[in-house]
Amino acid sequence: QKEVEQNSGPLSVPEGAIASLNCTYSDRGSQSFFWYRQYSGKSPELIMFIYSNGDKEDGRFTAQLNKASQYVSLLIRDSQPSDSATYLCAGGSYIPTFGRGTSLIVHP
Amino acid sequence: DVKVTQSSRYLVKRTGEKVFLECVQDMDHENMFWYRQDPGLGLRLIYFSYDVKMKEKGDIPEGYSVSREKKERFSLILESASTNQTSMYLCASTNPGSSGNTEAFFGQGTRLTVV
Repeated sequence: QKEVEQNSGPLSVPEGAIASLNCTYSDRGSQSFFWYRQYSGKSPELIMFIYSNGDKEDGRFTAQLNKASQYVSLLIRDSQPSDSATYLCAGGSYIPTFGRGTSLIVHP
Repeated sequence: DVKVTQSSRYLVKRTGEKVFLECVQDMDHENMFWYRQDPGLGLRLIYFSYDVKMKEKGDIPEGYSVSREKKERFSLILESASTNQTSMYLCASTNPGSSGNTEAFFGQGTRLTVV
């Protein structure tokens, strides 16, 4: 079974802090990884994708990939209350495989 | 700007009814997927399709079937709805890329309640 694992949380951080979300995967054949944000009652929407080892930055978001450790992370800098949502990590070679999601709460 | 559209946002059906959930994408994507999402269980793959008239079982296909007669349309069918099929159903599409799939585009979801 090819799996993507995430801590379900909730992860609670104060406004302005850095939120760190983590994910591990079992399929070594996975080449691309995605982070989606899902607000309650809504469908997931893409925040970032990463294919190569190392860091990838986009505004307040940084994705990190370590293929040797089979580890993916998402850092959110200057967290805002509007970032409060469930964050889904996804991998998989051709079939998107999703983690169960981490609930993030950013409190004022 | 709509890319993946599901036919209904909310549905209430009776036990034993045959239920059709429709999904249409306008991005010419090859791959389409049906997931269900339940609290604490995340997104679970029901069925997927790589091409017209082609279908493959996902992790939880029991009680479901699918149809893909045209590239842009992927239908999920509940042959005889049961209360344990009450869930949020999400359709998604992707295209194969050089590093595996491209990002998944999701429909708005269908909240199905079986009573």
